[in-house]
Amino acid sequence: EADIYQTPRYLVIGTGKKITLECSQTMGHDKMYWYQQDPGMELHLIHYSYGVNSTEKGDLSSESTVSRIRTEHFPLTLESARPSHTSQYLCASSEWGRGLNTEAFFGQGTRLTVV
Amino acid sequence: GNSVTQMEGPVTLSEEAFLTINCTYTATGYPSLFWYVQYPGEGLQLLLKATKADDKGSNKGFEATYRKETTSFHLEKGSVQVSDSAVYFCALSDPGFNKFYFGSGTKLNVKP
Repeated sequence: EADIYQTPRYLVIGTGKKITLECSQTMGHDKMYWYQQDPGMELHLIHYSYGVNSTEKGDLSSESTVSRIRTEHFPLTLESARPSHTSQYLCASSEWGRGLNTEAFFGQGTRLTVV
Repeated sequence: GNSVTQMEGPVTLSEEAFLTINCTYTATGYPSLFWYVQYPGEGLQLLLKATKADDKGSNKGFEATYRKETTSFHLEKGSVQVSDSAVYFCALSDPGFNKFYFGSGTKLNVKP
């Protein structure tokens, strides 16, 4: 059973509001990820982190920002939500180290709707 | 570069039918290969994995074999159930950087 949690599960919010999507894991994993999943199901990496104080942009440009102040916590923030941000956001974590063959563990996702 | 290509869906089968979902990959080095499953409204769950050539991953009646010569990792199940209806993602990881590459997902519908 994966120990990675996302809150809230569902969020409906008005345009222009600031929102933070929470992601926490209890597995002590160094590497964490945020993916955006479009209605066509495809996953797009938007942010990742190698550990505390490390944040990197992913393959898909995103207006969101992330922080990694604690190993277990990797929140994603949108300063001013827009309808184009409506999507499913998935957080994941994995061990990290050269040569490791380890899987990613996913949270249950946050379904964000901006109206 | 690294990439994963999997068959487009949706795939619709009757209960107890045989399932194959094709997955091929391109990779530098020696990646690990994974199949994930996503049920409606949920995140991705690891279904099975294989970390080296000729390894067979298996779980819950699903199987996939890491074929380096054909760069494939096809998912199979001998007899599907309605409860197997979900979206299936093939993925690889680059062990040098732990970066994951996902296919576009294949939706499976199993009818009673």
